[in-house]
Amino acid sequence: DIQMTQSPSSVSASVGDRVTITCRASQDISHWLAWYQQQPGKAPKPLIYAASILQSGVPSRFSGSGSGTDFTLTISSLQPEDFATYYCQQANSFPVTFGGGTKVEIK
Amino acid sequence: QVQLQQWGAGLLQPSETLSLTCTVYGGSFSAYYWTWIRQPPGKGLEWIGEINHFGSTNYNPSLKSRVTISVDTSKNQFSLKMTSVTAADTAVYYCARRRAPNAFDIWGQGTMVTVSS
Repeated sequence: DIQMTQSPSSVSASVGDRVTITCRASQDISHWLAWYQQQPGKAPKPLIYAASILQSGVPSRFSGSGSGTDFTLTISSLQPEDFATYYCQQANSFPVTFGGGTKVEIK
Repeated sequence: QVQLQQWGAGLLQPSETLSLTCTVYGGSFSAYYWTWIRQPPGKGLEWIGEINHFGSTNYNPSLKSRVTISVDTSKNQFSLKMTSVTAADTAVYYCARRRAPNAFDIWGQGTMVTVSS
């Protein structure tokens, strides 16, 4: 199985801050990576697929980059509704695997 | 607008069989793979498996021996059965749609399944 490692596991930030989350795959997954946002008690919401393509309706302050084994999710200016947990997911091979999550908390 | 609505028993005893169903409303049923994902309380996401309208399946090897995913195309439904559940299977179970390129773009509301004696 491909292991997905996210860092940090949590980050404290303020509204307006730039936040970057990293996801590392245990082997080359090309650009087959997706990102999700999860609010407490809710299903994950898709943000990005193919490493850098925003899902329809996702604000442009979210961006994704990377290829191979190293990927990043950046929130350019954190908004109150962005405080949540974020997960990466590799889409290169079965079984599909997710990162452990990064919780973005209010500073 | 595509929606997934899921249901099933929320409280099971150890060794029982978990059974969940997800109905797809709107959109094409035949063009996608339909997936089950779970999330233990306070933990991350685990992919269980998926099925398409032909009945072709892919399973997580860690669960394959206990899991069966089936499809009823006449009702735009797919189902999950997991045998011999234990407390470790306590989780929120989600159904989801997988679309190219292998991202889950639509999710059900989630069903909390608790395994306890």
